[in-house]
Amino acid sequence: DAGVIQSPRHEVTEMGQEVTLRCKPISGHNSLFWYRQTMMRGLELLIYFNNNVPIDDSGMPEDRFSAKMPNASFSTLKIQPSEPRDSAVYFCASSWGTGRHQPQHFGDGTRLSIL
Amino acid sequence: QQQVKQSPQSLIVQKGGISIINCAYENTAFDYFPWYQQFPGKGPALLIAIRPDVSEKKEGRFTISFNKSAKQFSLHIMDSQPGDSATNFCAARDDKIIFGKGTRLHILP
Repeated sequence: DAGVIQSPRHEVTEMGQEVTLRCKPISGHNSLFWYRQTMMRGLELLIYFNNNVPIDDSGMPEDRFSAKMPNASFSTLKIQPSEPRDSAVYFCASSWGTGRHQPQHFGDGTRLSIL
Repeated sequence: QQQVKQSPQSLIVQKGGISIINCAYENTAFDYFPWYQQFPGKGPALLIAIRPDVSEKKEGRFTISFNKSAKQFSLHIMDSQPGDSATNFCAARDDKIIFGKGTRLHILP
């Protein structure tokens, strides 16, 4: 079975540029989560979707960040304009349902560097 | 405010020894406590999980001990192996998962 697929794996861009991260969840999963991982703050939930609808975006740090899920098999996280402090590893995860005991399956992340 | 506190930050254990990682939480609404394991360049993967109505759960070499009154739980890795070298995260969940800061575990061969 294919796991959660994220692209690109690495992204290096200059401050001010638009960055788009992509995620394909596991087929059949109906919940999708975006996380950011840094040394200082650890693993933080940014936003999650259930059945393609955003449920909680309280973790999105600023209006520069936006996320969409146009269909059950694709989601994007966009940063515009990007800043050096956005440099981090961004993970997408999916699960079947939002039940508290449903395990989340993570992709291998996108390592983002903003120069 | 750090809702899930994890210690130690790093841990070095001899092969065959017992690795112990501790976590504490404050929010009594948490009702599911998973542990995730992350290898370099990979995303976290679920290792083992426990519900608060159980004091201990064992899967192979991995055991979670849970103390509801103290709001603490711990991961024990028995007979630790070099392949266990990874960053381990405890977590707690109500509506969403809150992760601890992680413990970088290194097993000496």
